[in-house]
Amino acid sequence: SQQGEEDPQALSIQEGENATMNCSYKTSINNLQWYRQNSGRGLVHLILIRSNEREKHSGRLRVTLDTSKKSSSLLITASRAADTASYFCATEIWSKNAGGTSYGKLTFGQGTILTVHP
Amino acid sequence: ETGVTQSPTHLIKTRGQQVTLRCSSQSGHNTVSWYQQALGQGPQFIFQYYREEENGRGNFPPRFSGLQFPNYSSELNVNALELDDSALYLCASRLGQGGSYNEQFFGPGTRLTVL
Repeated sequence: SQQGEEDPQALSIQEGENATMNCSYKTSINNLQWYRQNSGRGLVHLILIRSNEREKHSGRLRVTLDTSKKSSSLLITASRAADTASYFCATEIWSKNAGGTSYGKLTFGQGTILTVHP
Repeated sequence: ETGVTQSPTHLIKTRGQQVTLRCSSQSGHNTVSWYQQALGQGPQFIFQYYREEENGRGNFPPRFSGLQFPNYSSELNVNALELDDSALYLCASRLGQGGSYNEQFFGPGTRLTVL
């Protein structure tokens, strides 16, 4: 099952409005990341927030993390038509394999499809 | 553009065949991970290679295998293809193995269709 569950599944707004997407997860994490994907292409990394951070900003993006509620939100302010894309949250958990070597595994939610109308 | 390249862009195979997908990591990145993304879903972790060895694996059967070369490029091999293997396959590279906050950079993906 998916570690991250995103809400809403789809969001349609007008240019200039703010868009908020939420992500919930089930287990303890090392960090949480947000990605954007245009039309089934590669993923673009937007922002990483560490498990001991509560809020992070990058340009028009604001991400919050509440580890007690196991949830995160992505806010895009003053949206533009070019922001139209699918947005995914991904939790990263660091693990060790049988040989003791560590690796990081990203577990993605199903994504939110954002449509920004001009 | 992230500097991570994948080939081919699209591929059509029939059930039971074998396929090899290729990924060139961003310069200097020694870790490559592969993900499978079915239509309408989020990507799922297949495995990760660090310094030519598989050091982490998701819930995928052994017919999914890989290689990493000394220049850190990587291959994903899938044997005995099934219809459900139809998906977008993404590779991602990063500097350093797990346990870091280094960003992963994703390639554009290979769209595999199994008929």
